[in-house]
Amino acid sequence: NAGVTQTPKFQVLKTGQSMTLQCAQDMNHNSMYWYRQDPGMGLRLIYYSASEGTTDKGEVPNGYNVSRLNKREFSLRLESAAPSQTSVYFCAIRVGGMETQYFGPGTRLLVL
Amino acid sequence: AQRVTQPEKLLSVFKGAPVELKCNYSYSGSPELFWYVQYSRQRLQLLLRHISRESIKGFTADLNKGETSFHLKKPFAQEEDSAMYYCALIQGAQKLVFGQGTRLTINP
Repeated sequence: NAGVTQTPKFQVLKTGQSMTLQCAQDMNHNSMYWYRQDPGMGLRLIYYSASEGTTDKGEVPNGYNVSRLNKREFSLRLESAAPSQTSVYFCAIRVGGMETQYFGPGTRLLVL
Repeated sequence: AQRVTQPEKLLSVFKGAPVELKCNYSYSGSPELFWYVQYSRQRLQLLLRHISRESIKGFTADLNKGETSFHLKKPFAQEEDSAMYYCALIQGAQKLVFGQGTRLTINP
């Protein structure tokens, strides 16, 4: 099922390079989230967007920017990648009024 | 601040044995808690919510406000239960706070 898609699936960057991680949903939900998953740290919220055109910082926003230009897409940008940003990045949407979240398949990022 | 603690990074049990994954939380109000699971090469998905008081794939979790715990239990483990499990707490109206995760391995 499509639901939430993320591109790319895997990326290798050199320190200082920039890139944008894309997330798109076809479920027409307002709230979207970006998390990073690191061993022993669980999932930590980077940024979220309650609706089109609005974004808010999460727990670990430093080094990232986001953009929510329309309801369907929520992108995460690394302006100058650092090795500490090596992680698996997950996009998620908030489903209905039950406060549950539906996750994308993830993007594995390696910064050398 | 709201926190979720999963004290075990790794848990290994034999098939057919009982399983308990621990989760403790700190929250000032009435918490809403969840268990999420990530099977190998699959996306993170909701396993169960405390508010539903449901049993999914044989797993149950009871909210114990006195002990501030929400442990996940299954009486007889199966090999397909091997996965990464995350306990999570709602923070405000929009955000989930996750624990560190427990990798469960079921040995044949």
